[in-house]
Order: sequence, then structure tokens, then C-alpha cells
Amino acid sequence: QQQVKQSPQSLIVQKGGISIINCAYENTAFDYFPWYQQFPGKGPALLIAIRPDVSEKKEGRFTISFNKSAKQFSLHIMDSQPGDSATYFCAAPRAYGNKLVFGAGTILRVKS
Amino acid sequence: DVKVTQSSRYLVKRTGEKVFLECVQDMDHENMFWYRQDPGLGLRLIYFSYDVKMKEKGDIPEGYSVSREKKERFSLILESASTNQTSMYLCASSSGLGLTNTGELFFGEGSRLTVL
Repeated sequence: QQQVKQSPQSLIVQKGGISIINCAYENTAFDYFPWYQQFPGKGPALLIAIRPDVSEKKEGRFTISFNKSAKQFSLHIMDSQPGDSATYFCAAPRAYGNKLVFGAGTILRVKS
Repeated sequence: DVKVTQSSRYLVKRTGEKVFLECVQDMDHENMFWYRQDPGLGLRLIYFSYDVKMKEKGDIPEGYSVSREKKERFSLILESASTNQTSMYLCASSSGLGLTNTGELFFGEGSRLTVL
């Protein structure tokens, strides 16, 4: 069964620091690699996504880095804020079909 | 804004009961999904539907069935609820197939089911 391995499981960062979450994927379709953000009591929502033909995508304080040869991608949150405290999921497109495989999630807490 | 509405936010059921979880989306999306969310296990796909009356099993379909009679509505059915089905259930929808797939899923707020 196709897997996406996400680490760390939880992360505590001081306000203003950099939060880094890593994911590694197995065989997958050549498509989008998204990150989802979930606040307590809410469903996940798309945060940022990258096509694997680029190595980096930045949107505000959020950056995805993609390493195709290593089959890894990561989310960097610069100048982390308490409002960034949430659960983050990476995902990869399945080898077949219009579906995603999700990582196990990272619970981020930003201390003020 | 895309809206995915799950009719029940919290349910408590007894072992052996039949449970219906309803989901409605208002953006005319072709694809609808049911995921299960458990701590440390992420989001696991239960069932997927790419058209009315069409369905595909996901990674953990055992003990579940689905129904999609109308494009906007996708129901998850637990024929005989068991305690190991206590979980958060998330419905999602997306548009497009193949090259038009951006990977963007629109999720509902979830239905937390407790089976006693």
C-alpha cells in the first residue's frame, strides 16, 4: 500500500522561529504535492501545493521544498506565530486514480 | 466559497446500530470522498465516488458502505457499528480528473462518532 511518511509527530516552536515538517513518499503520480492545515474543530484546508517540476514554492511565510531524486518534500514556516498552531498534513497523489495519500500529521504548537 | 456540509457533528451510537453519515457539497464537484481521521494515523480513505452511483473502495472499506444517488450528496453507512469505528469522519469533494486535478480537496468540519 502506498505510503507517505511524515515527521515529526509533534513540534513545539517559539514565536518567531522556523517550523520544519518533512515528508517522504513512495511511488506516486507526477502531479501536485499539497499541504493541508487543520485547526481544532475544523476540517483540513489546503495551505500550499507544489508541482514536482519545481524545487521550491513560497507563499508568504510558508515554503515547500521538493527533492524529486530523494522523494522528499518539506514545509517550512518562517517567523512562526501562535496562530499557526494547528495540525499539518502532507499528501501525495496516488500512482493511479484521482486520489491522495496523506501523511500521519504533525501537531504544531507555537509558544508566545 | 465551496461548502461541504456534514449534517451531524457529534454522534453517540450503540454497538450493532446502523449509522448514516450524510455529506452535501454545493460546488457541483464530480468527486466525493470519505476519510477517517485517527491520531497518529492521519487521514485514511474509506470510499471514493467519481460520479453519481459510482464508487470505489479506498484503503479501509471494511465495515462501511456508501451511497451517492445525487451528485451533491454522499452518504457513509456503518451497517453494524463497532467500537473500533469510534473516530472522526471527514467528507471531502474535489473537481476534475487527471490533468485538471490540483490535489485540492474541500473538507467538511467532520463528524465525531462514538460507538459504545
